[in-house]
Amino acid sequence: GQQVMQIPQYQHVQEGEDFTTYCNSSTTLSNIQWYKQRPGGHPVFLIQLVKSGEVKKQKRLTFQFGEAKKNSSLHITATQTTDVGTYFCAGRMDNDMRFGAGTRLTVKP
Amino acid sequence: DAGITQSPRHKVTETGTPVTLRCHQTENHRYMYWYRQDPGHGLRLIHYSYGVKDTDKGEVSDGYSVSRSKTEDFLLTLESATSSQTSVYFCAISRLARNTGELFFGEGSRLTVL
Repeated sequence: GQQVMQIPQYQHVQEGEDFTTYCNSSTTLSNIQWYKQRPGGHPVFLIQLVKSGEVKKQKRLTFQFGEAKKNSSLHITATQTTDVGTYFCAGRMDNDMRFGAGTRLTVKP
Repeated sequence: DAGITQSPRHKVTETGTPVTLRCHQTENHRYMYWYRQDPGHGLRLIHYSYGVKDTDKGEVSDGYSVSRSKTEDFLLTLESATSSQTSVYFCAISRLARNTGELFFGEGSRLTVL
């Protein structure tokens, strides 16, 4: 079936550095959601993007939805140790919601 | 956190045995989902429900069945567990129609099939 590809699979950064994860789909998405999962925890909803070219910010987190609605990114400015976890995108295509495999972020103090 | 309880939280079983995982919600949401999470695959939908006794298959439904006799409970059954079903299972609920709103996840049930 159709897939949502997410890169990178892992990212290790020094505290204070920036971090970006990308999601790509070969199919146009109706919307895209982002979730964060702390180690040993469950996914927690962060945001949903619906419009072409949409950009939303939550403090140090910036979310973008591509003009063609086939890609999205999550950028964290000046990472902190509290940002540790796995970030998942989930794209809606047809009537299915498909999750990316996630990007696991570790932060060195 | 949304009122979602999964049980059991951890289970070890042997190949060929039946297993039932339970998801209980106190939010009275109409939509409920079962996902499995495996390294490198993210979350994959097993089955979902859009109301009492209304269920449908997801992306990876083979070997699984579900039942929803009450709004608050959604059961996932492995009739004859296999080692490939070793995974972490997450129940989720949503207030809005399927795939249009945010998902609230339970804390997960870790299943090991020996």
